[in-house]
Amino acid sequence: GDSVTQMEGPVTLSEEAFLTINCTYTATGYPSLFWYVQYPGEGLQLLLKATKADDKGSNKGFEATYRKETTSFHLEKGSVQVSDSAVYFCALSDRDMGRRALTFGSGTRLQVQP
Amino acid sequence: DGGITQSPKYLFRKEGQNVTLSCEQNLNHDAMYWYRQDPGQGLRLIYYSQIVNDFQKGDIAEGYSVSREKKESFPLTVTSAQKNPTAFYLCASSAGTGAYEQYFGPGTRLTVT
Repeated sequence: GDSVTQMEGPVTLSEEAFLTINCTYTATGYPSLFWYVQYPGEGLQLLLKATKADDKGSNKGFEATYRKETTSFHLEKGSVQVSDSAVYFCALSDRDMGRRALTFGSGTRLQVQP
Repeated sequence: DGGITQSPKYLFRKEGQNVTLSCEQNLNHDAMYWYRQDPGQGLRLIYYSQIVNDFQKGDIAEGYSVSREKKESFPLTVTSAQKNPTAFYLCASSAGTGAYEQYFGPGTRLTVT
């Protein structure tokens, strides 16, 4: 079945540091890929998405590129802020599976220190 | 404003009682979903519905039930058969076309003692 693997956290960075959160996936079809962010006690918010190979999703300074050859969708940001502290989830939606639900990774907690 | 509402934010129940969690959306989305989130883990799919009056079991449906009588509403009942009901429950919806991104509600934290 489909699966998503994320790097374990927490990831602790100083403000203005460069961020990378690794995400790799296994899927039988041609998935769309997503990054969601969850702030404490809240639901998930869509951060960015990519629907086909070599697409780059971007939002709020975050970027991720859909790499089919390495089955990866790593999240990056050039300069993190304290307000970026949250849990980040990588997810895929495999259109060929039909049910259109998302398969999530286990999440990576980011802590940004001032 | 369009969005998904879940109520209540916090819910406490005694063991052996059924409890229903509310989920309403005004996004005119066809598809709706229920996920369960446990501490330090990702989300697991409980049930989903792609259209009114139809729903399907997800990966962890045992001990849960749902209904989809209206497009806007997808309530989840946690029954006494669910062995470990304490968790954070998230409802989501999607338009059902395109890239299938889902939009989430704020969640309900259920504690059963």
